[in-house]
Amino acid sequence: QLVLTQSPSASASLGASVKLTCTLSSGHSNYAIAWHQHHPVKGPRYLMKLNTDGSHNKGDGIPDRFSGSSSGAERYLTISSLQSDDEADYYCQTWGTGMRVFGGGTKLTVL
Amino acid sequence: QLHLQESGPGLVRPSETLSLTCIVSDASIRSRSHYWGWIRQPPGKGLEWIGTIYYSGHTYYNPSLKTRVTISVDTSKNQFSLNLTSVTAADTAVYYCAREGDILTGYYVDYWGQGTLVTVSS
Repeated sequence: QLVLTQSPSASASLGASVKLTCTLSSGHSNYAIAWHQHHPVKGPRYLMKLNTDGSHNKGDGIPDRFSGSSSGAERYLTISSLQSDDEADYYCQTWGTGMRVFGGGTKLTVL
Repeated sequence: QLHLQESGPGLVRPSETLSLTCIVSDASIRSRSHYWGWIRQPPGKGLEWIGTIYYSGHTYYNPSLKTRVTISVDTSKNQFSLNLTSVTAADTAVYYCAREGDILTGYYVDYWGQGTLVTVSS
C-alpha cells in the first residue's frame, strides 16, 4: 500500500534552516512526490515536484530558500533563512494510476 | 495565471447531497496535459483526495468514497463539479479543487483553489 509518512510537527528559529521529511512506504522508494504549503492565512500553494534523483521543479514564484532532495525512500524539503511567514502546514503528495496520496502533514513553527 | 474558485452551499443537512463547482479561469479545462481534482480537509485533520476527472469525462475516485461521489466536467463553462451523496457530520471539511499534471509530468497538484468550508448539520 502506497503511504506517505511525515512527522506531525517541526520547529526552527527565525533565520535558521529546517529540513522536513516525507517517507515513502516499503516498495515505493522510486516514486516522485510533490510538496505543498498550506498557510493559515494565504491558503494552499504548490511548492515543487521532487524526483527520485533529487531534481525538482518549483511552482511559480517559489523562492530559492525552498529546496528539495531525496535519499532512498526519503524525500526532503529544506527551507533556509526561515521567515515568520513560513509558519504553515507542509504536505507531501504522491500518485499512482487512478490514485492520489497525501502525507499527514507537518506543522512548522518558526520560533 | 490560472485561478480556481470553488462555489456552493456552506451548509448541507445530513443525508442530503453536497454539491460544489470549481470555475477555472485563465486556463482551458480542455487541456490534454492536465487533470482536475477535488481534495478535502476535515477540521484539525489532514488532506484527503476525493477524486479526479479528465476533460473527456474519465474519472478516478478514492475507494473509500467511491459509492457516494460523482465528479463531472462542463467544458462549455470551463468548470467541473463534485456531488457527494448521503452526507454525515464526518463530511464536514474544507473542500479544495485543484489542477493536476498528467502521466508524463506526474499526477500532482500544481494549482489549488482557496477552498470552501462545507458544514454538515441540521
